[in-house]
Amino acid sequence: EPEVTQTPSHQVTQMGQEVILRCVPISNHLYFYWYRQILGQKVEFLVSFYNNEISEKSEIFDDQFSVERPDGSNFTLKIRSTKLEDSAMYFCASNNDENSYEQYFGPGTRLTVT
Amino acid sequence: AQSVTQLDSHVSVSEGTPVLLRCNYSSSYSPSLFWYVQHPNKGLQLLLKYTSAATLVKGINGFEAEFKKSETSFHLTKPSAHMSDAAEYFCVASKANAGGTSYGKLTFGQGTILTVHP
Repeated sequence: EPEVTQTPSHQVTQMGQEVILRCVPISNHLYFYWYRQILGQKVEFLVSFYNNEISEKSEIFDDQFSVERPDGSNFTLKIRSTKLEDSAMYFCASNNDENSYEQYFGPGTRLTVT
Repeated sequence: AQSVTQLDSHVSVSEGTPVLLRCNYSSSYSPSLFWYVQHPNKGLQLLLKYTSAATLVKGINGFEAEFKKSETSFHLTKPSAHMSDAAEYFCVASKANAGGTSYGKLTFGQGTILTVHP
């Protein structure tokens, strides 16, 4: 069964460094999402992406964040200058229809900023 | 604005006994509601969904949930817990417009960790 994959599973970085979190969505999917979960808090929507552009973003998704689909398979989340409060689990999701109720989630990348 | 509240952060049951995970929602419009489950080191998996059809929704692995508009609730139940049900469960709402069409952004509850004892 096709699944969403994310790499790395755990990333440790120093404050101020750039990080790129990688996701490979399911191959025929067209809509892509990033969510994050800070330890002890709810999973929060960050951004949705379709047709090579952002379709919606939350107030969390400021200028320090960017997303890209650099090729036909990867979907990346970049944080330009990490802060301690960026430490969280980041989930990628995809589906093939914006009105499809099911989003397919990856296992997450745990980002630790020291 | 839309919000989802899961009333219990942890639920512990014995194998073979019923499971009840509670969820309340708040939405300006009729939402679509879901339950997702996450097993350790796995992605979130859809258990079941409510999309304004039947109010009692059956999902995978014997789970079901009932949408009660008067109580703004969408509690998840299972008659008999199995050890493999131990996981974290998320109640989730989708952003819906006045026409009832669902959009991609999901709003999550804080999660309930289910522990099943032998």
